[in-house]
Amino acid sequence: KQEVTQIPAALSVPEGENLVLNCSFTDSAIYNLQWFRQDPGKGLTSLLLIQSSQREQTSGRLNASLDKSSGRSTLYIAASQPGDSATYLCAVRRGTGGFKTIFGAGTRLFVKA
Amino acid sequence: EAGVAQSPRYKIIEKRQSVAFWCNPISGHATLYWYQQILGQGPKLLIQFQNNGVVDDSQLPKDRFSAERLKGVDSTLKIQPAKLEDSAVYLCASSSVKGLETQYFGPGTRLLVL
Repeated sequence: KQEVTQIPAALSVPEGENLVLNCSFTDSAIYNLQWFRQDPGKGLTSLLLIQSSQREQTSGRLNASLDKSSGRSTLYIAASQPGDSATYLCAVRRGTGGFKTIFGAGTRLFVKA
Repeated sequence: EAGVAQSPRYKIIEKRQSVAFWCNPISGHATLYWYQQILGQGPKLLIQFQNNGVVDDSQLPKDRFSAERLKGVDSTLKIQPAKLEDSAVYLCASSSVKGLETQYFGPGTRLLVL
């Protein structure tokens, strides 16, 4: 059974810091991994999608890496800004059996001005 | 391009009442998902449709929850009767291909069961 864990659960950093959010999963037979952002009271916004054959994806100040063999993904945010404050969710899509998506509980990020 | 639409945005009901949520996915998206997100947790998949067929409903409490996607476009999720533990945000998402593309989420329906 696939389980997705995100550490830390919450993080507070000063503006301008570079930071890393972690996601681990127990079953390496994944189809893809996606990072989402969720603002309070809102739906999820996709940030980056990494296919199982890829090692990383980049978008602006965001870089996500994937190491299937160790069951880990990291989301790197460069030069953090107060507008980055949100909950960041990692979601793993299984490689078999209907391609079910399983989410972690998220990391709540607060960037102080 | 219009996003995923959901209604209502908020709903308050008493336990044992019934409630229905509606979702209209992005035009042309074949796959539609319903998730339940309890406060402080990540979303949990309730049901996944491919066109108007069910791909996965293994985590749908079928004694009280039902969902349909007539004509392979919009979808409704119903709870009857509701329990206190059903208080959550119900998120609808859609994607164009079952495994290759990103999922696009609607704003969600926040349900409170008293």
